Amino acid sequence: KNQVEQSPQSLIILEGKNCTLQCNYTVSPFSNLRWYKQDTGRGPVSLTIMTFSENTKSNGRYTATLDADTKQSSLHITASQLSDSASYICVVVAGGTYKYIFGTGTRLKVLA
Amino acid sequence: EAEVAQSPRYKITEKSQAVAFWCDPISGHATLYWYRQILGQGPELLVQFQDESVVDDSQLPKDRFSAERLKGVDSTLKIQPAELGDSAMYLCASRDPGLPSYNEQFFGPGTRLTVL
Repeated sequence: KNQVEQSPQSLIILEGKNCTLQCNYTVSPFSNLRWYKQDTGRGPVSLTIMTFSENTKSNGRYTATLDADTKQSSLHITASQLSDSASYICVVVAGGTYKYIFGTGTRLKVLA
Repeated sequence: EAEVAQSPRYKITEKSQAVAFWCDPISGHATLYWYRQILGQGPELLVQFQDESVVDDSQLPKDRFSAERLKGVDSTLKIQPAELGDSAMYLCASRDPGLPSYNEQFFGPGTRLTVL
C-alpha cells in the first residue's frame, strides 16, 4: 500500500534555532517528492520538489534531502522565524498516475 | 501570478442542510482536484476531473457528495445532506498536464466547513 509517514507529529522550537522534519514513504512507482508548507486556514504551498536522481534541494532557509534507496526524505529549516510556524506536508507523487500521496504533516510552532 | 480561487472561504451550516463549494482553477489547467482535509491530517482526494470528465471519484461518498465541471473550467462540489463528520477543509487544486513541471498541483486557499 502506498503510504507516506512523517515525524514528528508536532514540534516546538525557539526562534533562530534549526530543525529537521522526517518523511518515510512506500510509494511505487515513484515520480517525485515534494514538501509543502501549509499555513493555518490556507492551502498548501510548494517548497521543494525532488526527483529520483536528486539528493538535495534548497529554497532559501529550507533544505530538503532525498535518499531514494532507503525511501526517506528530510526537510531542514535553518535559523527559524516566527513565520515558519505552519504545517509541513511531505507529498510523494506516484509515477504513471501522478497521484499525490500525502503525509499527515508536521505541525511546527516557532516561539519568540 | 495566477491562482486557484475558491469560495466561500468559510461556511457554517447545520446538519442535514445542503452546502456547495466553488472552485476556479488556473486558466488553462485541464486537471482539477477536490480534496478533503480533516484537521491534523493530510488531504484526501475526493474527485479528479480531466476537462469535464471525472477521472477518479473512488473516494467520493456518492450518497451525499456530488461534483461537476460542466464546461471543463470551474467546478462545484456539493454535499447534501451535510453531516457532523463533514466538518473539514475542502481544497481545490489544478494542474496543467502539458507542462514539464513534474506535474505540480497548485492549491487554492480552501473552504473551511463547520457542520453544527
